[in-house]
Amino acid sequence: QAGLTQPPSVSKGLRQTATLTCTGNSNNVGNQGAAWLQQYQGHPPKLLSYRNNNRPSGISERFSASRSGNTASLTITGLQPEDETDYYCSAWDSSLSAWVFGGGTKLTVL
Amino acid sequence: EVQLVESGGGLVKPGGSLRLSCAASGFTVSSHSMNWVRQAPGKGLEWVSSIDTSTRYIYYGDSMRGRFTISRDNAKNSLYLQINSLRAEDTAVYYCAREDQRWAYGMDVWGQGTTVTVSS
Repeated sequence: QAGLTQPPSVSKGLRQTATLTCTGNSNNVGNQGAAWLQQYQGHPPKLLSYRNNNRPSGISERFSASRSGNTASLTITGLQPEDETDYYCSAWDSSLSAWVFGGGTKLTVL
Repeated sequence: EVQLVESGGGLVKPGGSLRLSCAASGFTVSSHSMNWVRQAPGKGLEWVSSIDTSTRYIYYGDSMRGRFTISRDNAKNSLYLQINSLRAEDTAVYYCAREDQRWAYGMDVWGQGTTVTVSS
């Protein structure tokens, strides 16, 4: 099953803003939107944003999601050292009747 | 507290079988669509299977179809994944994940995972 496309890595400086992208098609991101997950090595993923771009309870306002066409974005403001980890997007594909994930983006905070 | 706890992983020879379990607490599994997602060592997340609240809609990833079976026991408030004819490429951490009750909104609760290693 074709997955969503994420850049493998993004690097930004401390206290800067990082924008991570996730590109799909009209059957997934373009139609359903994308949810975003954060994962530290050795730990399970954690939901950062629902597909409607709202944050679950307890998620920092520094994380915000948006969508334009077939591309979803996660913006992280005021980068902190603890933001350095892996981020995944996911979406339901109505054509495949399947969840699809992006390959993940490793965010480095310089 | 809402929690998912997986078990049943281990070292299995190629061609063998395993049944993974996921015990839920703090919520009712039958009220949510539930999923299995796996992650091979050093790799990204790969969706395995999902089962909806009615159990009428069950879906599998392309490479899982035919060897994987998802099921649910409401009385035990648990989710299961039966894996047959295991292959080396099935080696991964298998996570159980709950979907938000709003359709396709995202997987909002994850277990710690159980490790499956397929090797002779």
